Amino acid sequence: EVQLQQSGPELRRPGSSVKLSCKASGYSITDYLMHWVKHRPEHGLEWIGWIDPEDGETKYAQKFQSKATLTADTSSNTAYMQLSSLTSEDTATYFCARSYGYTYYFDYWGQGVMVTVSS
Amino acid sequence: DIRMTQSPASLSASLGETVNIECLASEDIYSDLAWYQQKPGKSPQLLIYNANSLQNGVPSRFSGSGSGTQYSLKINSLQSEDVATYFCQQYNNYPLTFGSGTKLEIK
Repeated sequence: EVQLQQSGPELRRPGSSVKLSCKASGYSITDYLMHWVKHRPEHGLEWIGWIDPEDGETKYAQKFQSKATLTADTSSNTAYMQLSSLTSEDTATYFCARSYGYTYYFDYWGQGVMVTVSS
Repeated sequence: DIRMTQSPASLSASLGETVNIECLASEDIYSDLAWYQQKPGKSPQLLIYNANSLQNGVPSRFSGSGSGTQYSLKINSLQSEDVATYFCQQYNNYPLTFGSGTKLEIK
């Protein structure tokens, strides 16, 4: 059974960074792209970018280019997203989600992780 | 960026009814459109991809249609378990973008 298990909720101070994890089971992460999506109730869903864990290739939405860094560890079948220089605008739920090849719809999603940025 | 305008924002319907949810893209997305269902406290589930292809395991009462800039999700014979938020997503062009969601309730 395919599962994407995300790490637990995070509370961070403004200006700090956070690294979120997304551990895949039931398949090899090298067979799919891994995407990250941001959700804030008042702003809806925003696509952040994807990583191809097979070769580390990444693609980012322009607005997240300097905010997010996507990496993957094939030995642990886990994808990561680091968010830097956190502000209150980064308070959101973040999802990982996979897509097959270069068809960019998501057949499995993680459960989401809440990141709260507050002083 | 391609803007996805989804309507209605909320919808209340009776069990057994048929409902339609619309997504209008700001430019032609060539059927590169997916629909998702998200139940409270759960992660989104893929219903439809390529505008009209039913994802494995999704009940056949869900269907998608459309082309160009206009797309719709149809739910036949509404069931209580269909209470959820539904949203569309285009994947024709970067950045991938989503509709704002439709909250479906049972009357």
